[in-house]
Amino acid sequence: SQQGEEDPQALSIQEGENATMNCSYKTSINNLQWYRQNSGRGLVHLILIRSNEREKHSGRLRVTLDTSKKSSSLLITASRAADTASYFCATGGGSNYKLTFGKGTLLTVNP
Amino acid sequence: DADVTQTPRNRITKTGKRIMLECSQTKGHDRMYWYRQDPGLGLRLIYYSFDVKDINKGEISDGYSVSRQAQAKFSLSLESAIPNQTALYFCATSAGRGTGDEKLFFGSGTQLSVL
Repeated sequence: SQQGEEDPQALSIQEGENATMNCSYKTSINNLQWYRQNSGRGLVHLILIRSNEREKHSGRLRVTLDTSKKSSSLLITASRAADTASYFCATGGGSNYKLTFGKGTLLTVNP
Repeated sequence: DADVTQTPRNRITKTGKRIMLECSQTKGHDRMYWYRQDPGLGLRLIYYSFDVKDINKGEISDGYSVSRQAQAKFSLSLESAIPNQTALYFCATSAGRGTGDEKLFFGSGTQLSVL
């Protein structure tokens, strides 16, 4: 079963607005990652936050992690039409390290 | 050229047929993975390999088998395809440094339809 669950399932905003997506997970993790998928194509890694970090930035992306609540959020600022894609969180942990993906949030940015 | 290459890109087959999906990588990574993606279900791990001699089942391995022919090649087989194996299949790699912060690099996917 999936470890991470994204919320909302779908989000539609206007260009220039900020987009916030959330991810909740169930067990302890080493890190949490966010990936992006353009329609039908392979996933692309966006950002990784370690379990001992609370916030991380990369360009227009801001990720937060609250391990006490087992949740993370991805903020995309000043969104563009080209940001339209599905966004997935993935959690990794344990000695037999592998990533488990959530079901994704479909973001639509309208011009 | 793509770092992680999957072939074929699209495949239509019939129930009961054997089919192989292939993945090759030029990233020099030790770890390779096969995921399937179904609408509304996200990605689910089928098999993964941490090196040539190490093959592990994922959460949905039934009906699938894999072969790690070399560090750079990892193939997925459906011995007798059935319609509910219709999905988008992804191969991925990671560096496997054991640092616990690995990111995955994905191929472009194989859309498989089983009729």
